Formats: sequence, C-alpha cells, structure tokens
Amino acid sequence: GDSVTQMEGPVTLSEEACLTINCTYTATGYPSLFWYVQYPGEGLQLLLKATKADDKGSNKGFEATYRKETTSFHLEKGSVQVSDSAVYFCALSDPLAGNTPLVFGKGTRLSVIA
Amino acid sequence: KAGVTQTPRYLIKTRGQQVTLSCSPISGHRSVSWYQQTPGQGLQFLFEYFSETQRNKGNFPGRFSGRQFSNSRSEMNVSTLELGDSALYLCASGRLAEGETQYFGPGTRLLVL
Repeated sequence: GDSVTQMEGPVTLSEEACLTINCTYTATGYPSLFWYVQYPGEGLQLLLKATKADDKGSNKGFEATYRKETTSFHLEKGSVQVSDSAVYFCALSDPLAGNTPLVFGKGTRLSVIA
Repeated sequence: KAGVTQTPRYLIKTRGQQVTLSCSPISGHRSVSWYQQTPGQGLQFLFEYFSETQRNKGNFPGRFSGRQFSNSRSEMNVSTLELGDSALYLCASGRLAEGETQYFGPGTRLLVL
C-alpha cells in the first residue's frame, strides 16, 4: 500500500538556520502530496501542497517540490524562526486509487532556539 | 469561512464508559473524516462519511463507530473505553476522492483513566 517516510526527529536549529526535512513516498498511482504542521496543543494545519510532478508548493517561507523521479517531497525553509517550532507531517493522497484516506509520515519535531 | 469545529476539546473518561465526539465541517463540505493520533501509532484513519454514508473505514475495532447527519455534521462514538483509546481525535473536512484538500479541526483530546 501507499506509505510515507520522513526523517526522524527531533531537529534542533538556531534561529535563521536553514531547514530541510526529508520526505519520500511510495504510491501505486499519482498522488497529491502535502505538508501539515501541528503546533503544540493544536490540530493539523495545511502548510503546502503539490498535486503533480515538478509542482512547487510554498507558504510562509516554506517550500517543497514534487519530485516524481526520486519520489520525494522535501520541506525547506531558508531561515527558520522560533515560531516555526512544531511537528511537521508529510502526507499523500491518491484520489485515483479510490476512497483512500490521507497517509501520513510519523512526523518530525522541529525546535528552533533563539 | 468558518473552519472545522470539534467539541468538546477535552474529555476525561474511565475504562468501560462510552464517549461521543462531534465535528462540524467547513460550510459546503459534505465529507468528514476522522483520524486518531497517538504518540506510538501516529496518525491513523478511522473512517470517512460522505452524504450521510460511511465511504471508507480504517482498521479499528467495532467499538469505534460514527455517523453523519443531513447537515454534514458528524459524530463518532467509542464504546467500552480502554486505556489505549487515550488519544487526540482529529476531524477533517474535504473529500480526497474528488481532489479536495482536507482541512483539520483542533481535535478532541480524550484521556481514559
């Protein structure tokens, strides 16, 4: 079945450092890819998405490019802030495969220190 | 446009009891999905409702059930609670099968003692 693998955390960075969180996927079809973020004590917020190969999703300084050849969707940010401290989830959905739910990675906890 | 709302936000129950959680989707969305989040298992899909019908179900025991009303609001019920049911229960609005994005509510945190 479909699956998502993302790098283990936690990741600790200093403010203004560069961030990369790796995400790779396995899917039988042509999935849409998502990054969700979860701040402490809250639900999931959609951060960005890409629906086809070579699409770049971006939001709040975060970017991720849908790479079909490497089945990857790595999350990047050039300069992180303390307020970016959260858990980040990579996820996929494959609507052409039928009524499939979102498939999530295990999450990567990011801590940004001042 | 209002987001996904879930009530209550926090619940404390004891083993053997039952619990009902509620979710109201984004206005105009007819699909509601439920997920369970635990530290050990991560995010796991429970079930999806669309137009008052269950369209998909995850691998959870029959103690977990749900329903959807004509106004698209959904409830999920857990009977005979076990300690392992302690989790954050997240509701999502939006039908993936139609290429929509799923938007999540703030969740209901259930603690079973």
